[in-house]
Amino acid sequence: NAGVTQTPKFRVLKTGQSMTLLCAQDMNHEYMYWYRQDPGMGLRLIHYSVGEGTTAKGEVPDGYNVSRLKKQNFLLGLESAAPSQTSVYFCASLAITGELFFGEGSRLTVL
Amino acid sequence: EDKVVQSPLSLVVHEGDTVTLNCSYEVTNFRSLLWYKQEKKAPTFLFMLTSSGIEKKSGRLSSILDKKELSSILNITATQTGDSAIYLCAVEGYGGSQGNLIFGKGTKLSVKP
Repeated sequence: NAGVTQTPKFRVLKTGQSMTLLCAQDMNHEYMYWYRQDPGMGLRLIHYSVGEGTTAKGEVPDGYNVSRLKKQNFLLGLESAAPSQTSVYFCASLAITGELFFGEGSRLTVL
Repeated sequence: EDKVVQSPLSLVVHEGDTVTLNCSYEVTNFRSLLWYKQEKKAPTFLFMLTSSGIEKKSGRLSSILDKKELSSILNITATQTGDSAIYLCAVEGYGGSQGNLIFGKGTKLSVKP
């Protein structure tokens, strides 16, 4: 049972490049989340999804897009990366018990 | 706008001390409050508190939800160096959209030998 898996774990981009972070969960959870974590800022919600085919904006959605074409996958896209998007990104899925399961994080650096 | 505020933002104590971390929230249609511990990587789950479960305890850690005051505390007794971490509080409220789960900025706890 892999839980929540994020890929890639590390990435360096140049300003203006695009990329996609993939999150996969094998627990059949309905709700999935993308957060970013910056020093002193806690975890800030970017986008989330309450089921296959649905997405919703969180606290800091600008500059990001998401898709949930399959229940087990939640993709986070950066169309034109900016240095302000340098961060550690966490994907999570929510169990019916209320516990949030996190991936190991993806460290993104935008030069 | 839903909001979660944690205090203090950082705390330094010595082994054996007891600490209390605070989390206050403003959310529409509160559903649950979650506490997490984060060391080097991803946060790990500690407790979930809801209207039907306002007090939880596990070993030296305990947490209480005060729905009237819209807040929660996390207590750690007889602290150890291994308790050093960032403690995160998250609240799920329906707000405008079901499933909105937001975090506070966290409390960084440092336990000195």
